[in-house]
Amino acid sequence: EVQLVESGGVVVQPGGSLRLSCAASGFTFDDYAMHWVRQAPGKGLEWVSLISWDGGSTYYADSVKGRFTISRDNSKNSLYLQMNSLRAEDTALYYCAKDFDSRGDDAFDIWGQGTMVTVSS
Amino acid sequence: QSVLTQPPSASGTPGQRVTISCSGSSSNIGSNYVYWYQQLPGTAPKLLIYRNNQRPSGVPDRFSGSKSGTSASLAISGLRSEDEADYYCAAWDDSLSGFWVFGGGTKLTVL
Repeated sequence: EVQLVESGGVVVQPGGSLRLSCAASGFTFDDYAMHWVRQAPGKGLEWVSLISWDGGSTYYADSVKGRFTISRDNSKNSLYLQMNSLRAEDTALYYCAKDFDSRGDDAFDIWGQGTMVTVSS
Repeated sequence: QSVLTQPPSASGTPGQRVTISCSGSSSNIGSNYVYWYQQLPGTAPKLLIYRNNQRPSGVPDRFSGSKSGTSASLAISGLRSEDEADYYCAAWDDSLSGFWVFGGGTKLTVL
C-alpha cells in the first residue's frame, strides 16, 4: 500500500526550531519529487516547499524562504522539513505529498494525514 | 489573499450539476496545467483532476475539469451528498524561481 506518514509536530515557542519527518512506503521513493503543504486551522491549503527526486532542486514559498529547509534521504525513504525561527503564523497541519513525477511540477497524487505544528508561548 | 481566485462557497441539490471556477494569470493557469483537489471534512486532500481534465483511477466521471485562458472550472454532475467537501484548484507559477499556488478553496454544500 502506498503510504506517507508524517511525524514531529509539537507545540513550540516563537523563535524555536523543529524538524518534521515523512516516512514513505509502497512506492519507489527516489523516483519522485516530494512536497510539503500546510493548512492553518480553518484555512485553505498553502504550498510550502518542493524537492526533486535527487534533492538537487528545491523550491520554497516566500513565506518560509530563509527559515525552512527541505531535504530527503532516499536510503531511508524519508522526507524532512527543518523549520527555524518559527512564528505564530506557521501554526498549521503540515502534509507531505508525493508528486506524479521526478521534478515536482505535476500532480500531488498521494498525501499523508498530516502532523500538527503549534507555535505559541 | 490567494494567487488563484475561487468562490468561497457553492451549493446544489442532489442530482444537480454545479461548477466551481478558478481564476489565475498568465504565469500560472495561463501557461501551466490546472489541478483540483477534494478535501472531505477532517481528512487529507485527495487528487481529483490532473493536467486540466484528467481523472485519476477511481474518480467518478461525474467530475470533470476544463481550462480556458487564465481560468479553469471543475464541474460536478449528478450531485451526491458525499460530494460535500472543500475543493481547491492549484497550478505551477512560472514567476520568479517558480512555485506552486493554490486557490482559497470552495466549500460545496449539498442541500
